Amino acid sequence: SAVISQKPSRDICQRGTSLTIQCQVDSQVTMMFWYRQQPGQSLTLIATANQGSEATYESGFVIDKFPISRPNLTFSTLTVSNMSPEDSSIYLCSVARRGSGILDEQYFGPGTRLTVT
Amino acid sequence: AQKVTQAQTEISVVEKEDVTLDCVYETRDTTYYLFWYKQPPSGELVFLIRRNSFDEQNEISGRYSWNFQKSTSSFNFTITASQVVDSAVYFCALSVAGETSGSRLTFGEGTQLTVNP
Repeated sequence: SAVISQKPSRDICQRGTSLTIQCQVDSQVTMMFWYRQQPGQSLTLIATANQGSEATYESGFVIDKFPISRPNLTFSTLTVSNMSPEDSSIYLCSVARRGSGILDEQYFGPGTRLTVT
Repeated sequence: AQKVTQAQTEISVVEKEDVTLDCVYETRDTTYYLFWYKQPPSGELVFLIRRNSFDEQNEISGRYSWNFQKSTSSFNFTITASQVVDSAVYFCALSVAGETSGSRLTFGEGTQLTVNP
């Protein structure tokens, strides 16, 4: 398994500001992802955080709004830029290992509850 | 494209009843992985099980059991003798093994299970 921590655990931010969320894993992982869970909804993938290169974004998500960094195999950040109330969600970091063509379990961090006023 | 359908939005049972959560998936890939996660009111996402497309054996873990049927593209989850602590939102998810799609998860909409004492 993997132990994942996220900072901050929650925040209340004003419209127009930006927030950077950190994700730290206790061991090296192949893949890191960022998901969004809007209130009462399911999880939607924002992007895959690639180590040493630009993140791969899903349809509907752009780098200018959600810049992502992944400087090494255990750490990633997601920034929510120029926030609006529609960005109020839980943001979750997820990690997975892949070896010999087999996908390991995917684990999720505790999430960051963001409220934009 | 992948799709996961959890037709049951909410289920309410009385403690000690058995309950089955349905999950139907769609994918054109022949190699894929199916997951179940539990999200209690605290918000964290708890990994329950991963099953790959080549392993159709049913699995039992304590009070939990999973029935994987490729013929009907279903991966149903049964809780036997339910308890109040089982109250949570349960998500079924799908990941395919192709390189272009990585390991990202496609989630169903979730089923809110309430177990009443």
